[in-house]
Amino acid sequence: QVQLQESGPGLVKPSQTLSLTCTVSGGSISSGGYYWSWIRQHPGKGLEWIGYIYYSGSTYYNPSLKSRVTISVDTSKNQFSLKLSSVTAADTAVYYCARHHSSPEPGYFDYWGQGTLVTVSS
Amino acid sequence: SYELTQPPSVSVSPGQTARITCSGDALPKQYAYWYQQKPGQAPVLVIYKDSERPSGIPERFSGSSSGTTVTLTISGVQAEDEADYYCQSADSSGTVVFGGGTKLTVL
Repeated sequence: QVQLQESGPGLVKPSQTLSLTCTVSGGSISSGGYYWSWIRQHPGKGLEWIGYIYYSGSTYYNPSLKSRVTISVDTSKNQFSLKLSSVTAADTAVYYCARHHSSPEPGYFDYWGQGTLVTVSS
Repeated sequence: SYELTQPPSVSVSPGQTARITCSGDALPKQYAYWYQQKPGQAPVLVIYKDSERPSGIPERFSGSSSGTTVTLTISGVQAEDEADYYCQSADSSGTVVFGGGTKLTVL
């Protein structure tokens, strides 16, 4: 059973960079066949896909966030990470990591982390 | 930007059938997926590839597609089905898009 767990600061100051890590257990990121995605949910609102990474390091970001997002992978630790720069209060949300079943396109999310609330405030 | 449109809310009595729609211009060309989200929990996939049901999801959940609209049907609704439901697909460039969500209330 694949499990994902987000970790990182719950409070980030405006203009700084939000950094989160997702640790995957019960399966190897390096085995391929799946993308690994970040998704967020603003308080009381719907879901927004941020982007994904493949084990090889190839990425695809939501154009609406592309200029501020970096997703990276560390296969030795079976982790992938999210960095979101120049944050504002509008980036306050619950951030989820998820396994992204890539085929058929556009793919879907079959395993999710529990989510972590990140608040942007001074 | 591309949007998937869902009704904000649907209400049904226990035992009745709930239908939640999701509309989008690209749906004839892209598969749709459905997620159930209960308060304080992560979403759970309940339908993939328009109408396929993952293992462990009750048979009362089904999906269908017609033109630019996909529909999640819950037959014989139970109190435990009260949740938010989100459709998901992609735009023409492959960017993943979620619908705005539908709150299902079991009366």
